[in-house]
Amino acid sequence: NAGVMQNPRHLVRRRGQEARLRCSPMKGHSHVYWYRQLPEEGLKFMVYLQKENIIDESGMPKERFSAEFPKEGPSILRIQQVVRGDSAAYFCASSPDRETEAFFGQGTRLTVV
Amino acid sequence: GESVGLHLPTLSVQEGDNSIINCAYSNSASDYFIWYKQESGKGPQFIIDIRSNMDKRQGQRVTVLLNKTVKHLSLQIAATQPGDSAVYFCAEPGSARQLTFGSGTQLTVLP
Repeated sequence: NAGVMQNPRHLVRRRGQEARLRCSPMKGHSHVYWYRQLPEEGLKFMVYLQKENIIDESGMPKERFSAEFPKEGPSILRIQQVVRGDSAAYFCASSPDRETEAFFGQGTRLTVV
Repeated sequence: GESVGLHLPTLSVQEGDNSIINCAYSNSASDYFIWYKQESGKGPQFIIDIRSNMDKRQGQRVTVLLNKTVKHLSLQIAATQPGDSAVYFCAEPGSARQLTFGSGTQLTVLP
């Protein structure tokens, strides 16, 4: 059983471009969480999704950020018109239900130049 | 607001010694805590958890202690090894298991 797969591992975007980060949860996992980690800081919760539904997006910036988890395919975190402050590591975690520990992917490191 | 935080940002220990990493929390209603290990360039990895009805829980070479009176928990690593070098976070799950992380302690194991 493969772990949580995130791609790309590294992403470089120029200011104003769009960034799309992908997360394939572990097999059988229908709950996905996205976190952002700035350098030298802890992870900050962004959004919690189940298949086709956003359950909690209280940690998402109000503008430019969106997330989806379609019925088929990976979960996508989309950042429009990126700015330098978006440079961070973005981690995805998945779990089979709300009661079970979530497993983390290796993260996508976004650099905005 | 409520938060989970750490006392010290860095900790250096000699290989073979025991390590103690501390974490303070502010929400008296918190009932479940998790310790994660994050190696450089990797995602957080679950180490051990503890519920508020327990004072202590042991795993393989790790022990977590919870002191609800002073809202403090600690992670003890016995016979620290080079592979233990990492950043350690305490975290608290919310109602939907979304995690609130502390700022982390960088553990460095010296030869």
